[in-house]
Parts: sequence; structure tokens; C-alpha cells
Amino acid sequence: LAKTTQPISMDSYEGQEVNITCSHNNIATNDYITWYQQFPSQGPRFIIQGYKTKVTNEVASLFIPADRKSSTLSLPRVSLSDTAVYYCLVGDMDSGAGSYQLTFGKGTKLSVIP
Amino acid sequence: DAGVIQSPRHEVTEMGQEVTLRCKPISGHDYLFWYRQTMMRGLELLIYFNNNVPIDDSGMPEDRFSAKMPNASFSTLKIQPSEPRDSAVYFCASKPPGQGSGNTIYFGEGSWLTVV
Repeated sequence: LAKTTQPISMDSYEGQEVNITCSHNNIATNDYITWYQQFPSQGPRFIIQGYKTKVTNEVASLFIPADRKSSTLSLPRVSLSDTAVYYCLVGDMDSGAGSYQLTFGKGTKLSVIP
Repeated sequence: DAGVIQSPRHEVTEMGQEVTLRCKPISGHDYLFWYRQTMMRGLELLIYFNNNVPIDDSGMPEDRFSAKMPNASFSTLKIQPSEPRDSAVYFCASKPPGQGSGNTIYFGEGSWLTVV
């Protein structure tokens, strides 16, 4: 399973755009890149997933370069409520048994400052 | 839609006691996962089921831990006897069937276990 590396923590002021980059040098051909968000006292929540290029939804954008060895989660104009831990994962749970060992790691703790 | 439902939300128990955590996955989901989260080790996969059958329990820390899924709408994680080092948040998660959802799984709110 591909290992991911992301910053332990980041600080940002309200209203700024936040970019969290994740490295995954050993990503496999069929692997998705998936990001989860976890608020204190809650379970992780899926926020965005992509395979290549750019994906955007109502919460975030995900930028994936052509070599797919890294990805960047972009949160536009963050607010205090975006303070959370953000996890980057790579894998392909659709490929069947043995692929479900998704490794969450320690994630990036984002603190939004007023 | 109801999400993954876990109970109890919080439990404090004495060392040596049996602890049973419960989970109701999202209806129609055919994969169920049990995770444990601690500050030191982060989020770890303990065991997962497919169609009520345990597929991989390699993450279960030792024989004191056991998990069952008697039907598609219910699973338990049991610790007997419990020890202080078992104190953690235990999450249950489920995944819908079929291709296309990638790595999308849905977590419950967790069961916060403290063993004193």
C-alpha cells in the first residue's frame, strides 16, 4: 500500500485559501487519492476523491499532477469551522480483498485563527 | 438518511471487565470496518467484514478482542478482559457495494472507551 506524507500541522487566518499537500511517491496505477476530514469528537468524513487532474466539489478542490506522486487539497476561504484534521489516503478499495487496509496516518491538523 | 450508528458513545469501565461495543451500519452497505484511534497510533483498522463474514482481522491487537457480525445490520466488538491500554475511541464504518465508490467509507461517531 502506498505510504503518504503530509504536514503535521498548519495554521491559517479566516478567509484565506489553505493548500495541504500530500506526497505519495509509490502510488499504484489504479489507486484513488482520497481526503477525509475529522472534527474533534467525531468520526472522519469523506470530503473529496480523485484519480488525476483536478476535482472540485462544494467543499474543496483536489489538484493532482500528471505523475500523481503528490496531491494538493485546497480549501477556499476557510472559516473557524474548518479547524479539523485532514487525512490523505491512497488506495483502491474497489480492487477487492486485501485492498481495504486504508492507512489514515496522523493527518494534518489545520487550525484556523480568527 | 441514518448514518452509521454506534453505542455506547462513552463508556468508563474497570480493568478486567468485559466491554461490548455495538454498531449498526448504513442499510445496504456490505462492508463493515472497526477502527481504533489513539493519540499515539492514530487511526488503525482492527477488522473488516464483507457480507457479514470476517475477511481480515490482522489488526486485532490480541485474543482479548473479538468481533462478530450476526446479520447485515449489526456488529459487535468485544474486549474481555479490558485493560487500561485499551482506552481509545473505537469507530465503526461501512462501505456501499459495487464499483465506483473508490475509498469512500462512512464512519460512525465513535465509542469513547476509558478503562481505569
